[in-house]
Amino acid sequence: DQQVKQNSPSLSVQEGRISILNCDYTNSMFDYFLWYKKYPAEGPTFLISISSIKDKNEDGRFTVFLNKSAKHLSLHIVPSQPGDSAVYFCAASDRGRDDKIIFGKGTRLHILP
Amino acid sequence: NAGVMQNPRHLVRRRGQEARLRCSPMKGHSHVYWYRQLPEEGLKFMVYLQKENIIDESGMPKERFSAEFPKEGPSILRIQQVVRGDSAAYFCASSQGGGSNTEAFFGQGTRLTVV
Repeated sequence: DQQVKQNSPSLSVQEGRISILNCDYTNSMFDYFLWYKKYPAEGPTFLISISSIKDKNEDGRFTVFLNKSAKHLSLHIVPSQPGDSAVYFCAASDRGRDDKIIFGKGTRLHILP
Repeated sequence: NAGVMQNPRHLVRRRGQEARLRCSPMKGHSHVYWYRQLPEEGLKFMVYLQKENIIDESGMPKERFSAEFPKEGPSILRIQQVVRGDSAAYFCASSQGGGSNTEAFFGQGTRLTVV
């Protein structure tokens, strides 16, 4: 049973435009959400997170939006740059239960020149 | 402040041998997670440990796999009698835990190849 779902395996976006990566979750107890970026042959690196008490968190070019009623979050990257080409993982945690972090399957983002 | 250190980076084992993967968490982190990534797949949760305790091992295969995080020293993921299907990248992450807002930091991974 996949609790964190990233339904788009890949996404291509023109350089300079906005990249929007989507994520859905099923467990209503999740209260902390994270996005990680991964290059080939490297470990994932943390990008940005959001607590369930917020609906938006911004850090430079990266903004995460959380819609609790829809159990949906999205990562916006604007403007997109060539170095943003990577696999992006959405993750979630139920901190009231434990700190286990559950990951989605990832979305491969290609930034086109 | 060193990050999460995993070794070895690459490990080759013959079928039936044992594989031992090591993970040293970031300084001050008492929570360790192990994930497996198969080719073309995402990060699959295996086990979550705190010092000397296994908190959640629901993602670990019931046989041949074990993990520990002793009071002193690194966390160890041990795979006995490896089979070809164990070939994957194994990632360790650490966090402060305790319900804080800190994220988990990942190591570079160990790529296990079973021949």
